[in-house]
Amino acid sequence: EPEVTQTPSHQVTQMGQEVILRCVPISNHLYFYWYRQILGQKVEFLVSFYNNEISEKSEIFDDQFSVERPDGSNFTLKIRSTKLEDSAMYFCASSDRVPDTQYFGPGTRLTVL
Amino acid sequence: DAKTTQPPSMDCAEGRAANLPCNHSTISGNEYVYWYRQIHSQGPQYIIHGLKNNETNEMASLIITEDRKSSTLILPHATLRDTAVYYCIVRSYSGNTPLVFGKGTRLSVIA
Repeated sequence: EPEVTQTPSHQVTQMGQEVILRCVPISNHLYFYWYRQILGQKVEFLVSFYNNEISEKSEIFDDQFSVERPDGSNFTLKIRSTKLEDSAMYFCASSDRVPDTQYFGPGTRLTVL
Repeated sequence: DAKTTQPPSMDCAEGRAANLPCNHSTISGNEYVYWYRQIHSQGPQYIIHGLKNNETNEMASLIITEDRKSSTLILPHATLRDTAVYYCIVRSYSGNTPLVFGKGTRLSVIA
């Protein structure tokens, strides 16, 4: 069964450093999403992406964040200058049409020291 | 904010049916009810969704009341591996709308 994959599973970085989280969506999917979950809190929407453009973003997704689909398979989330409060699980999701089911990856645990 | 209300926790004996309720009294005509679950800190896992008819798949059944103001997710024979946080989410039928997660129901399946 096709699935969304994410790398790395765990990323540790120093405050102020740039990080790139990578996702490989399900191959025939066209809509991509990033969510995050701070430890013990709710899963929160960050951004949705379609046709090489951001479709929607939350207020969390400020200028420090960016997304990119650099090739036909990867979908990345970049945080330019990490803060302590960026420490969270980051989940990528994809769907093949809207409003279809979103399938989530296993997540990347980001720890900012 | 989430448009749904769920009990914070429930217990269920292994092998019995788990019935998880959800209230969504402000649901609109173009909104679906989705259920996801999250086992420990893994990525949310899709379970089932419906608009107004009852739905069943290999994982669960979804019962939606006639007025669509509430629904129940049924796991017919709960196992220990079904221990997770279950999220009921109302989502618009139109457009590429994100999922809005609430706090969900923490289901503990007990041997």
